[in-house]
Amino acid sequence: EAGVAQSPRYKIIEKRQSVAFWCNPISGHATLYWYQQILGQGPKLLIQFQNNGVVDDSQLPKDRFSAERLKGVDSTLKIQPAKLEDSAVYLCASSLNTGAPATEAFFGQGTRLTVV
Amino acid sequence: GNSVTQMEGPVTLSEEAFLTINCTYTATGYPSLFWYVQYPGEGLQLLLKATKADDKGSNKGFEATYRKETTSFHLEKGSVQVSDSAVYFCALSNYDKVIFGPGTSLSVIP
Repeated sequence: EAGVAQSPRYKIIEKRQSVAFWCNPISGHATLYWYQQILGQGPKLLIQFQNNGVVDDSQLPKDRFSAERLKGVDSTLKIQPAKLEDSAVYLCASSLNTGAPATEAFFGQGTRLTVV
Repeated sequence: GNSVTQMEGPVTLSEEAFLTINCTYTATGYPSLFWYVQYPGEGLQLLLKATKADDKGSNKGFEATYRKETTSFHLEKGSVQVSDSAVYFCALSNYDKVIFGPGTSLSVIP
C-alpha cells in the first residue's frame, strides 16, 4: 500500500514570497490533515478535511494560509506572503473515516520550509 | 477540550537502560491513545496504540497501558538501544481529531 506522498521535501524562500505544498493521501482515506511542526514542538493541526469539506480550520492563519482539497483526494497548502515564523515542517496525514473513536493517522515525510 | 501533556526532554540514557516517558491527557468521551516516533530526518510513524481503558499497546519492545483512572499512557521499554534515539510523541484521537503532545527527545548513548 502506497503511503502519504508530499512534495517538495525542502523549500527555501524569502519572506513575503509565496509557497505551495502538495499532498496525496492514501487511497480511500476520507480524512486529510495538515499539521505545522515547529522545531522542538509537537505537530499543530492547521486544517482537517473530510472528503473535500473542511472539518476544522480553527488554527489556520487565514490571512496568509489557504488550503484546498480538490475532488476529495489531493490537497495543496499555500502560504502567501510567508513570514520568518512560518519556518517549520509541514506534515500531511490521512486516515480512514470510520466514524469510530480510534483513528490512526498515517503521515507523509513532510516538507521542511525555511523562510529567510 | 482535548490536550496531551508529556514529560519534558531531552532524555539521555545509556544503552540497555530502562525507559519511561510520561504522558497524560485531557479529553471528553473515550479517546484512543497513541505513541508516534520520529527518527531524525523522517516523518512520524505509529509506534503503538490502545483504544480502550486497560488496553496495552506494544511494539518493538515498547509498551504503554491506557489508564483511564489516572488519564495516563506512559511509554516504557526495558532495555533501550542506540537505534531508539528519536523524538516520541503521545497523541490522542477523538472521533477523527488527532491531538499531539509536544514530544520528548530521547538520546541513547553506547
